[in-house]
Amino acid sequence: AQSVTQLGSHVSVSEGALVLLRCNYSSSVPPYLFWYVQYPNQGLQLLLKYTSAATLVKGINGFEAEFKKSETSFHLTKPSAHMSDAAEYFCAVSERRSSNDYKLSFGAGTTVTVRA
Amino acid sequence: DTGVSQDPRHKITKRGQNVTFRCDPISEHNRLYWYRQTLGQGPEFLTYFQNEAQLEKSRLLSDRFSAERPKGSFSTLEIQRTEQGDSAMYLCASGTGNEQYFGPGTRLTVT
Repeated sequence: AQSVTQLGSHVSVSEGALVLLRCNYSSSVPPYLFWYVQYPNQGLQLLLKYTSAATLVKGINGFEAEFKKSETSFHLTKPSAHMSDAAEYFCAVSERRSSNDYKLSFGAGTTVTVRA
Repeated sequence: DTGVSQDPRHKITKRGQNVTFRCDPISEHNRLYWYRQTLGQGPEFLTYFQNEAQLEKSRLLSDRFSAERPKGSFSTLEIQRTEQGDSAMYLCASGTGNEQYFGPGTRLTVT
């Protein structure tokens, strides 16, 4: 079984400060890992993904995440927050149980607010 | 815009009524997924299709829920005899490989 834990339901940062969102996963097989962003009343937009290639993954809007197998973590970072980064962020895991099955299990989400 | 579309975006219904939602995936995507998202939570998997075949259904999908994907194109999700606990955002996603692209969702309110 797969599951995701996001530490911290709310994060508040100053504009220009580091953004760090924590995600830990459990999976019985090597996982695919994803970060999605959701703006109010919208669907989810893929920020980045890890699929067993490079452990440091770069995504859109200046975000990156590092896969650490020993810590079962996939934390999301951005060096300098912009006001437009205010949104809800979801970490998700997909177990590759078959070539057809990529269903996602999501964490509860972290809401990011950016202070001017 | 060639993204995933969902219709309607909002639905208000009275308890006991039936509702149907539609999802139009990105045209070349053979996989289609439905998720449900309640307030303050991440999306939860409901079911998915590979072309027209429904390959898995979550235990969350009670007998009142049914999904179809005729001809492997658009999909519908029907909820019969709605209950207040069905109030949620229903998200559709499509994909070909390990990525999923989400639609804007249908927000259901059951009064």
